Amino acid sequence: QKEVEQDPGPLSVPEGAIVSLNCTYSNSAFQYFMWYRQYSRKGPELLMYTYSSGNKEDGRFTAQVDKSSKYISLFIRDSQPSDSATYLCAMSVYNNNDMRFGAGTRLTVKP
Amino acid sequence: EAGVAQSPRYKIIEKRQSVAFWCNPISGHATLYWYQQILGQGPKLLIQFQNNGVVDDSQLPKDRFSAERLKGVDSTLKIQPAKLEDSAVYLCASTQVRGQGETQYFGPGTRLLVL
Repeated sequence: QKEVEQDPGPLSVPEGAIVSLNCTYSNSAFQYFMWYRQYSRKGPELLMYTYSSGNKEDGRFTAQVDKSSKYISLFIRDSQPSDSATYLCAMSVYNNNDMRFGAGTRLTVKP
Repeated sequence: EAGVAQSPRYKIIEKRQSVAFWCNPISGHATLYWYQQILGQGPKLLIQFQNNGVVDDSQLPKDRFSAERLKGVDSTLKIQPAKLEDSAVYLCASTQVRGQGETQYFGPGTRLLVL
């Protein structure tokens, strides 16, 4: 079993749809949870950062962490074609130390 | 603010050859990371520097990979000799300090193809 599991997709949605992206993990010691967006031929860029359990909202993006279920989610409201990218979940025990990434979910938002 | 710079952007080599990648982090960033991202997978940490010292190199294949960060600024990652399975994108990232909430900024990566 991989330490971090993420459905690679691909996921295709129409513009304006709500997108739900998920990851599960096996290491209960993870405390820091991140979502990165990676455009083709670019490096990942941080979208959301959450410490421990709970929800965090930033504009159209909402990150949720359920440590009891070892499950994290990213929701994108009113999705736009510019959201088309690969979304990577990442997590670590200590902040910015030995982050473990999921395989990434490739998202396409069609106009 | 200039981002993380990497060069070359692309490299094609034959197996058993040597190759080196260069990274210039964001000015003032003390921590530097090298990741390997194989097609269809997430990045995997190879080595982490704090200034010019190694913090974590537990996942670096030390029989063929080496990295250095002279003067705590630029860094080079070398593979010698390369294998087919080393074909990947090599990402460099940096953060200002190893503190709560610090963002890792990634460079565009070097895409390596080993034939």
